[in-house]
Amino acid sequence: GAGVSQSPSNKVTEKGKDVELRCDPISGHTALYWYRQSLGQGLEFLIYFQGNSAPDKSGLPSDRFSAERTGGSVSTLTIQRTQQEDSAVYLCASSFPLTSGRPNEQYFGPGTRLTVT
Amino acid sequence: QKEVEQNSGPLSVPEGAIASLNCTYSDRGSQSFFWYRQYSGKSPELIMSIYSNGDKEDGRFTAQLNKASQYVSLLIRDSQPSDSATYLCAVNKRSGYSTLTFGKGTMLLVSP
Repeated sequence: GAGVSQSPSNKVTEKGKDVELRCDPISGHTALYWYRQSLGQGLEFLIYFQGNSAPDKSGLPSDRFSAERTGGSVSTLTIQRTQQEDSAVYLCASSFPLTSGRPNEQYFGPGTRLTVT
Repeated sequence: QKEVEQNSGPLSVPEGAIASLNCTYSDRGSQSFFWYRQYSGKSPELIMSIYSNGDKEDGRFTAQLNKASQYVSLLIRDSQPSDSATYLCAVNKRSGYSTLTFGKGTMLLVSP
């Protein structure tokens, strides 16, 4: 079946502009996760959704970052007043329902490469 | 102490050899363990999951877990140049939904 999809694949924006990144999880996956990966760095957790609620927002680096998920499906990560240090690949992942017995297996989308000039 | 530690490498092995990738974790209560493969410029791809002590085999891949030693490893038999990638170890601290904590990865280079 279809995997996790993300859009846009690439985004170049000017410092100070707002950007929205979209994630469409695998159908039937109830949990959704956002990470970012800077060049040559490891994965940095940002936020996790279970359904439409976000029980763990601990990784959001500042109040310029926010995310929402509607209808238990698509999620949008918004970065306001972008800064050059926001440049990174933003990755979305989703995972099976708790009842599947495999709730922690996360499947990643292709990512959005954000460049702030 | 980092929560999930991996040697950054690169680990260089010749084609056909066994590649051994190692990972240690700090939280003794960790429940689930995963190996992801990440090719340069691509997103991580789940290749193995292991939940209980011992070995789990899937094709050329074997994951090994030792909770007493807080150690998880990935063996790749008959390594191929196409296995050249960064391998990420990930650990889930509790059952149910939770974030994964990732190591920074080990780069594997398989030479023809």
